[in-house]
Amino acid sequence: NAGVTQTPKFQVLKTGQSMTLQCAQDMNHNSMYWYRQDPGMGLRLIYYSASEGTTDKGEVPNGYNVSRLNKREFSLRLESAAPSQTSVYFCASSEPRQGYYEQYFGPGTRLTVT
Amino acid sequence: RKEVEQDPGPFNVPEGATVAFNCTYSNSASQSFFWYRQDCRKEPKLLMSVYSSGNEDGRFTAQLNRASQYISLLIRDSKLSDSATYLCVVNYGDTGRRALTFGSGTRLQVQP
Repeated sequence: NAGVTQTPKFQVLKTGQSMTLQCAQDMNHNSMYWYRQDPGMGLRLIYYSASEGTTDKGEVPNGYNVSRLNKREFSLRLESAAPSQTSVYFCASSEPRQGYYEQYFGPGTRLTVT
Repeated sequence: RKEVEQDPGPFNVPEGATVAFNCTYSNSASQSFFWYRQDCRKEPKLLMSVYSSGNEDGRFTAQLNRASQYISLLIRDSKLSDSATYLCVVNYGDTGRRALTFGSGTRLQVQP
């Protein structure tokens, strides 16, 4: 049981390049999330998927797109990377029960855009 | 104003000390409250939920004051392994989003 996995762990992009961050969970959770973490800012929600087939914008969606490929997988795409997207990206999943919303996080992807 | 505010620290304490962190939140509609722990260059992990009546888990005690909109975490008998960043987390539970709103964290360094 691997929990939440993310690939790649590290990536360096040039401005204008595109890439897709992959996330998968094996806990049969319905909800999945993408966050970014910047120094002094805390984690901020980019996009989320409450269940398979649905996606919604979070707090900072500009410059990103997502795909909920199936119940297990939720990918994040940067179409044209910008230096402001240099950050650590975390994927998370959860299965809310009776109002308890513990989220399980992947190990993160460290992205640098030059 | 940030939705969830924490003192960034760092708090430098000796082993065995008691240390307390506070956190304030701005949205009175907040429904669920948590403390997450994040080790350096690692992912956040749930430390404990915070219940209205207060709750304890070993050396850790969490308190919630809805009237004043603050949450606290008390760590007794600090260990070196407690060194980490502690994230105050709030859930508004709105529109099925069920995402979490994170404070920027308080860094704790326990020294021998």
